[in-house]
Amino acid sequence: AQSVTQPDARVTVSEGASLQLRCKYSYFGTPYLFWYVQYPRQGLQLLLKYYPGDPVVQGVNGFEAEFSKSNSSFHLRKASVHWSDWAVYFCAVSDRGSALGRLHFGAGTQLIVIP
Amino acid sequence: EAAVTQSPRNKVAVTGGKVTLSCNQTNNHNNMYWYRQDTGHGLRLIHYSYGAGSTEKGDIPDGYKASRPSQENFSLILELATPSQTSVYFCASGDFFQNTLYFGAGTRLSVL
Repeated sequence: AQSVTQPDARVTVSEGASLQLRCKYSYFGTPYLFWYVQYPRQGLQLLLKYYPGDPVVQGVNGFEAEFSKSNSSFHLRKASVHWSDWAVYFCAVSDRGSALGRLHFGAGTQLIVIP
Repeated sequence: EAAVTQSPRNKVAVTGGKVTLSCNQTNNHNNMYWYRQDTGHGLRLIHYSYGAGSTEKGDIPDGYKASRPSQENFSLILELATPSQTSVYFCASGDFFQNTLYFGAGTRLSVL
């Protein structure tokens, strides 16, 4: 069955430093993958999405993610973190080849940014 | 910008009572979803709908009912609320062409 694992419940980085949030997926076939962000006291917002094709996808606010079929991973990266990036980040996989299938979310990673 | 509005934002209920969570979207999206968010579990799908009059069971439907009386409105109903249903509930609507879900701000439910 399809699933997503985010191994890090919490990541702390200094403002201006680079960031990688890890996501491992389990899916039979070629997955459709997503990263969503949840700012404090808000709903989730889409950061970026991957469809079969270029393994590196660009998102909003300088985020990007790289798909690796060999590693079953879809890690999120940012070159320089800003204090406003403090949020919870969710990785998700769709079970029907689109976001309008059933999305299966990971447990989330809390990003803490220190000055 | 897509808009999904949930009400109430906060709710305290008693065990055994009936709770209705409401969701309204103004984007004319066919698909709507109800998720609950719990620490360590992320978001889990309770019910979803492909359009007015349709409801489908998600991954954790037990103890919940859903109702989609119109394109805009999607409700989640707890007929007999239990403390295990204390959680944050999110509604979302789906844009087929952009393959994107739009989430409401959430409802924090406490069942005492």
